[in-house]
Amino acid sequence: DGGITQSPKYLFRKEGQNVTLSCEQNLNHDAMYWYRQDPGQGLRLIYYSQIVNDFQKGDIAEGYSVSREKKESFPLTVTSAQKNPTAFYLCASRGTGNYNEQFFGPGTRLTVL
Amino acid sequence: EDQVTQSPEALRLQEGESSSLNCSYTVSGLRGLFWYRQDPGKGPEFLFTLYSAGEEKEKERLKATLTKKESFLHITAPKPEDSATYLCAVQAGNYGQNFVFGPGTRLSVLP
Repeated sequence: DGGITQSPKYLFRKEGQNVTLSCEQNLNHDAMYWYRQDPGQGLRLIYYSQIVNDFQKGDIAEGYSVSREKKESFPLTVTSAQKNPTAFYLCASRGTGNYNEQFFGPGTRLTVL
Repeated sequence: EDQVTQSPEALRLQEGESSSLNCSYTVSGLRGLFWYRQDPGKGPEFLFTLYSAGEEKEKERLKATLTKKESFLHITAPKPEDSATYLCAVQAGNYGQNFVFGPGTRLSVLP
């Protein structure tokens, strides 16, 4: 089955620790995105990538980093510089051309202890 | 600045009681408007894409419509399993790289 997977489903971080969230897709999509979701707010864009080895900052990129070494994978690192990292993180991918919809993974809930 | 607002914030319906959710947007160069359904603790599930004013899409009890300033998601004779948060998003920008999401409408359908 084609789709997007995220792991882990739940993640706990201690103060001062970097953590990496995984996102993999087998939809052969070129574009991939990371969003953060907080209660009562819309999804906010952290980073996006439209092609391998290239990515752009979104609205709230501070304290986060990404890489795009393979088309299928777009991992997100939450660094210790992110002061309020507790949130629900969503990865999405999108095809190009006429297929403009984003498709989302199941999400990772990150909690800072 | 591109913006999306949704109303109401929350809506409670009795099973079978039809209603509509609103998504209002201000965007330069709309490329598409999207509706998603999100269950608690899960990723959004794609429902519809609308591209131009006057367009309508239907799926089971849901119907989405689009004007130049807003979109409606009409829910006909809802069932308890329709309970979820419904998100609206717009795609804009010169290259369609920007997606702006609204805060969502939390729908509860009571049996």
